[in-house]
Amino acid sequence: AQSVTQPDIHITVSEGASLELRCNYSYGATPYLFWYVQSPGQGLQLLLKYFSGDTLVQGIKGFEAEFKRSQSSFNLRKPSVHWSDAAEYFCAVGAVVGNKLVFGSGTILRVKS
Amino acid sequence: DAGITQSPRHKVTETGTPVTLRCHQTENHRYMYWYRQDPGHGLRLIHYSYGVKDTDKGEVSDGYSVSRSKTEDFLLTLESATSSQTSVYFCAITRSGQGFAYEQYFGPGTRLTVT
Repeated sequence: AQSVTQPDIHITVSEGASLELRCNYSYGATPYLFWYVQSPGQGLQLLLKYFSGDTLVQGIKGFEAEFKRSQSSFNLRKPSVHWSDAAEYFCAVGAVVGNKLVFGSGTILRVKS
Repeated sequence: DAGITQSPRHKVTETGTPVTLRCHQTENHRYMYWYRQDPGHGLRLIHYSYGVKDTDKGEVSDGYSVSRSKTEDFLLTLESATSSQTSVYFCAITRSGQGFAYEQYFGPGTRLTVT
C-alpha cells in the first residue's frame, strides 16, 4: 500500500532564509506526487505536482520540488521564505484504485522575523 | 477554485445525535471524497464516490455513511455522533481530463464538535 512520511512535524525558519520540507513515499511504480498548503482555518491549496518527465517541478508562490526516485523522496523547497508562507504543508501520493490520495501527517512551518 | 461548497461550516452537536454534512460542486466532476483532519494525522479518507450511487470506503469509514443521488451533491452522515468524531471534515473533487489524474481540489471544510 502507498504511504507518505513527513519526518518533520514542526520547522521554524527566519524570514528570507531558504526552506526545505522533506517527504518520503512508498509506492511500487512511478508515483503521482503532490504538495498542498493549508493556511490556518482554510482548506488545502495545491502547490505543485509531479506526474512524469522533468524531476524538478515548479509550483505557485515560488515553491519547487524535486523527485528523486533513488531516495523515494519529493522534497519541497523555497529559496527565500516570506512571513506569509507560515502554514501547514502536506505531501501526498496518488493511489491507483479510486483516484485516491494518501497524505502525510503534515509539517507546520513557522516563520520568524 | 473548483466550485466546491460545504454546509454547514460549523456545527456543534450532542453525542448520539445524527449529523449530515453536505458537499456541493458546480462543475460536474465524477469523483468526490470526504476526509477528516485531526492533528498529527494529516487527512484521512472516510468515503469516496466515483459516480451517482457509486461509493466506496476509505481508511476510516466506521461510524460514517455517504450518499450520492446526484452528481453535484455528496452527503456524509454520522448516524450517531460520538466525541471521537469531533474533527474538521473536508470534501474534495478530482478534476477530469488529460493531466489531472489524482489531482484533488478541496472545499473550505466543516468544523464539527460533538459534546
